[in-house]
Amino acid sequence: GEDVEQSLFLSVREGDSSVINCTYTDSSSTYLYWYKQEPGAGLQLLTYIFSNMDMKQDQRLTVLLNKKDKHLSLRIADTQTGDSAIYFCAESMANRDDKIIFGKGTRLHILP
Amino acid sequence: GAVVSQHPSRVICKSGTSVKIECRSLDFQATTMFWYRQFPKKSLMLMATSNEGSKATYEQGVEKDKFLINHASLTLSTLTVTSAHPEDSSFYICSASSLLGQGMPTEQFFGPGTRLTVL
Repeated sequence: GEDVEQSLFLSVREGDSSVINCTYTDSSSTYLYWYKQEPGAGLQLLTYIFSNMDMKQDQRLTVLLNKKDKHLSLRIADTQTGDSAIYFCAESMANRDDKIIFGKGTRLHILP
Repeated sequence: GAVVSQHPSRVICKSGTSVKIECRSLDFQATTMFWYRQFPKKSLMLMATSNEGSKATYEQGVEKDKFLINHASLTLSTLTVTSAHPEDSSFYICSASSLLGQGMPTEQFFGPGTRLTVL
């Protein structure tokens, strides 16, 4: 079946690194995504990784993929107050790239 | 990036009435648009996939007669919640898809969402 799991909350001090973890069940996923949702707003694609990659880095963001364990993580370096949001892990299906399955989202809270 | 708008952003209606939500891609043509429903502390649930000029494809468990979707043009899709009930109260989000490029995934650009409250 299709299921994406992630913890609901994470608190991090400003300037520290944030690591948001996610597990998924479908080993045939083609792409895995991280979306950011700010309060009262829609979702914004932060980054994605193709399923045959282990890591992808984009400025302060690092995505790690462990296909064997079906584990995806998003690391935000030097976390800032503007990073406060809900982060959704998502996967797209091998035969339907347009269908995206979302996790419940991790609310990132930044401590001063 | 591409911009998707939704209108209205917030609507309150009485039980039994119908509500129409519009989703527009402002600076690109979207052959496919998606409608999601977001529950508090829960993930987004895909309700239906809407292709321009054809009938929408509904996900299992979503009543097509309850949630009418029309995708009349490449920039506009509408969701009509018919005979709304309090349990239909939710945050409805649309997205429009566009290919990121050859060999890359389709990116979905999300609208800001519509908060529906049914009294």
